[in-house]
Amino acid sequence: AQKVTQAQTEISVVEKEDVTLDCVYETRDTTYYLFWYKQPPSGELVFLIRRNSFDEQNEISGRYSWNFQKSTSSFNFTITASQVVDSAVYFCALSEATYNTDKLIFGTGTRLQVFP
Amino acid sequence: DAGVIQSPRHEVTEMGQEVTLRCKPISGHDYLFWYRQTMMRGLELLIYFNNNVPIDDSGMPEDRFSAKMPNASFSTLKIQPSEPRDSAVYFCASSFRAGDNQPQHFGDGTRLSIL
Repeated sequence: AQKVTQAQTEISVVEKEDVTLDCVYETRDTTYYLFWYKQPPSGELVFLIRRNSFDEQNEISGRYSWNFQKSTSSFNFTITASQVVDSAVYFCALSEATYNTDKLIFGTGTRLQVFP
Repeated sequence: DAGVIQSPRHEVTEMGQEVTLRCKPISGHDYLFWYRQTMMRGLELLIYFNNNVPIDDSGMPEDRFSAKMPNASFSTLKIQPSEPRDSAVYFCASSFRAGDNQPQHFGDGTRLSIL
């Protein structure tokens, strides 16, 4: 079965702290894609990153970085030197290439609050 | 470039009324998705289209819900009759060649309240 687990319901940090959001997935497919989306208080869903199952290279984009480890079925997201504007709900999602294609399976989200 | 456009942004109506939500996907995108977001159930896929054809409507909760895509630039999600438990944020998303699992781009959502 395909499933995405975000065990952290809510995280609170103070500005400039680093924070890691965990994502663990389950899939029987050998080819799949992982995504992160951000939902700020204004409510829209913003695409952050897409990775395929064959590319385990970590990715960095400014203060954001992603650590993909197939051995532990995890795709964790780290924000370095967090800022108040990072406050949002972050969703991890999975899409399979062979089974249930085209569909995004979302985790339940992690609410991040960054305090000044 | 214009993103996915949804209307209305907010809708408040009384139980029993018909509700129509509208979506304009990103030009050139051939997949369109309708989602519902609630506190209890999170983000749920209701239905999706490929090239204007419904592919999977297994997420549509009841016969009261229907969706159409008459052309590549427009889709509607209709609830008739509406009930208070339909209150949620409804998102439309589109993507290009989703068979290659391209990211879905979401509209700003419609916040629906049924009184």
